[in-house]
Amino acid sequence: DGGITQSPKYLFRKEGQNVTLSCEQNLNHDAMYWYRQDPGQGLRLIYYSQIVNDFQKGDIAEGYSVSREKKESFPLTVTSAQKNPTAFYLCASTFKGVGTTDTQYFGPGTRLTVL
Amino acid sequence: AQSVTQPDIHITVSEGASLELRCNYSYGATPYLFWYVQSPGQGLQLLLKYFSGDTLVQGIKGFEAEFKRSQSSFNLRKPSVHWSDAAEYFCAVGGGGATNKLIFGTGTLLAVQP
Repeated sequence: DGGITQSPKYLFRKEGQNVTLSCEQNLNHDAMYWYRQDPGQGLRLIYYSQIVNDFQKGDIAEGYSVSREKKESFPLTVTSAQKNPTAFYLCASTFKGVGTTDTQYFGPGTRLTVL
Repeated sequence: AQSVTQPDIHITVSEGASLELRCNYSYGATPYLFWYVQSPGQGLQLLLKYFSGDTLVQGIKGFEAEFKRSQSSFNLRKPSVHWSDAAEYFCAVGGGGATNKLIFGTGTLLAVQP
């Protein structure tokens, strides 16, 4: 079945540690996105990538980093510079990432908790 | 500024009653509009979308939404709510272009009474 997978589902981190969240899609989608979700704030865009080896900052990129070495994969690293990393992280992807608005499809999410 | 407003944070309806969730947007160009649903601890599932054409859009699970350009609204409706519809609902707007970015509302949490 085609879809978007995120792992792990739950992640615990000690303060000062970097952690990497995985996002993989087998939909042959061009563009991929990372969102952060906090209660009462909706979804906020962290980073997005329209093509392999290219990515752009979203609205809240500080303290995060990404890579896009393969079309299928868009991992997100939450660094120790992110002051309030506890949140629910959602990955999304869409076909035809350039020049059109196509539907974004979402993965199941990763809940990150900083201890 | 581009924005999406969902004025109702929390709504409770009785099972079998009708439902309308409000969404207002501010967008400088022709908007593309979406409704997503999220169950607790899960990702977002697309309910329906509007790109162009007929302003009344049908989606999955018996939902529909109507685009009203004059009111900058895209309200979600369902004639008869089921207990399984209890979830959080998000409205989103995008405009295409080079980035495909979406702007999300803050969500409306729907509770269904038996």
